[in-house]
Amino acid sequence: EVQLVDSGGGLVQPGGSLRLSCAASGFTFSSWMHWVRQAPGKGLVWVSRINSDGSSTSYADSVRGRFTISRDNAKNTLYLQMNSVREEDTAVYYCAREYGENFDFWGQGTLVTVSS
Amino acid sequence: NFMLTQPHSVSESPGKTVTISCTRSSGSIANNYVQWYQQRPGSSPTTVIYKDNQRPSGVPDRFSGSIDSSSNSASLTISGLKTEDEADYYCQSYYLNIHVFGTGTKVTVL
Repeated sequence: EVQLVDSGGGLVQPGGSLRLSCAASGFTFSSWMHWVRQAPGKGLVWVSRINSDGSSTSYADSVRGRFTISRDNAKNTLYLQMNSVREEDTAVYYCAREYGENFDFWGQGTLVTVSS
Repeated sequence: NFMLTQPHSVSESPGKTVTISCTRSSGSIANNYVQWYQQRPGSSPTTVIYKDNQRPSGVPDRFSGSIDSSSNSASLTISGLKTEDEADYYCQSYYLNIHVFGTGTKVTVL
């Protein structure tokens, strides 16, 4: 059974840092992976993507230069390093697996709250 | 970058049909596949349509997807509405490694 378990969320002050993790199981962890976020009461917003070996990444304009996506294929884990966070980064963050351009499995999400 | 615009909400009675549009602001809707996701309150999204009109296993054939190049939009149609279809629905597509979600549509089954 494919499982993605998101963790690492919490309360962080503006300007601070946080690292999110997504533990994968039940499939060969060679898929392209993504982070998607959802602010409270708002819609889904794509954040970032990484290819199978981590050599290629892409970011939404709103996070480029502040967030870094990475992966450890030996540990079957995806990461999102969030630096210089802002109040507008407050959201539930989901990791998602891409299969044939479709996000076919999603984690349960982890809540990040940016507030002083 | 481009945007995908959806109606904010649609509502209909059980057994009826609803169609949700997803209009691409720039670039051709036909150049990149469109996916549709269902999100119930408190849950993660799940795919109901991928690659414009393909249904994942387990999704009932009441759900169908299409593309209209003349209006540069995609559509999700839900026929024979059931109370369990009440949820938020998002379209999604991409271009040059940038993925975009639609603005989202709340479907209410009256």
